[in-house]
Amino acid sequence: GDSVTQMEGPVTLSEEAFLTINCTYTATGYPSLFWYVQYPGEGLQLLLKATKADDKGSNKGFEATYRKETTSFHLEKGSVQVSDSAVYFCAFGGSQGNLIFGKGTKLSVKP
Amino acid sequence: EAGVTQFPSHSVIEKGQTVTLRCDPISGHDNLYWYRRVMGKEIKFLLHFVKESKQDESGMPNNRFLAERTGGTYSTLKVQPAELEDSGVYFCASSQFISVWNEQFFGPGTRLTVL
Repeated sequence: GDSVTQMEGPVTLSEEAFLTINCTYTATGYPSLFWYVQYPGEGLQLLLKATKADDKGSNKGFEATYRKETTSFHLEKGSVQVSDSAVYFCAFGGSQGNLIFGKGTKLSVKP
Repeated sequence: EAGVTQFPSHSVIEKGQTVTLRCDPISGHDNLYWYRRVMGKEIKFLLHFVKESKQDESGMPNNRFLAERTGGTYSTLKVQPAELEDSGVYFCASSQFISVWNEQFFGPGTRLTVL
């Protein structure tokens, strides 16, 4: 069935380190792909999205590229900040309009 | 423009009690979704309203859960009677259109703890 597998956390990095959070999906067809972020005490926010193969979504220094051949949508950032500490969720759009999420990856960035 | 709001932000109840969660979507959004995240697990879809009609309730875990959206505005999700495994964070989201490309806007969630 439809599912998302993302890197287990927690991930702890020092400020200015490089970040990669892996995400792969199993879906019918070619859905849109999303990364959502939940900062401490807040709700889910859309971080970035990609709607077709080879699209690159980007926002706030984060990037992810829709790789159809590997069914992946890995999240990257070249230099993380303390303010990036949050839980990151990979997701895709289901055929009925709902979202299908991964388990989330908690990121902690130390100064 | 106000975002999606949810009430309460936290609820602690005892097993067997009833709890009602409320979601107010963004004005003009016909689509309203409920999701749940049990600790350490995925955020899972519960159901989807289009206006006041249930479009898809395939994710509802059992008949102890009842969702309504009278008048097509706000929605409530009632759990009766609550069980320990119902603990988690309940998210509501809304969107203007149904589409696999359409962004859903999420509320802050209601953290439910069943003791």
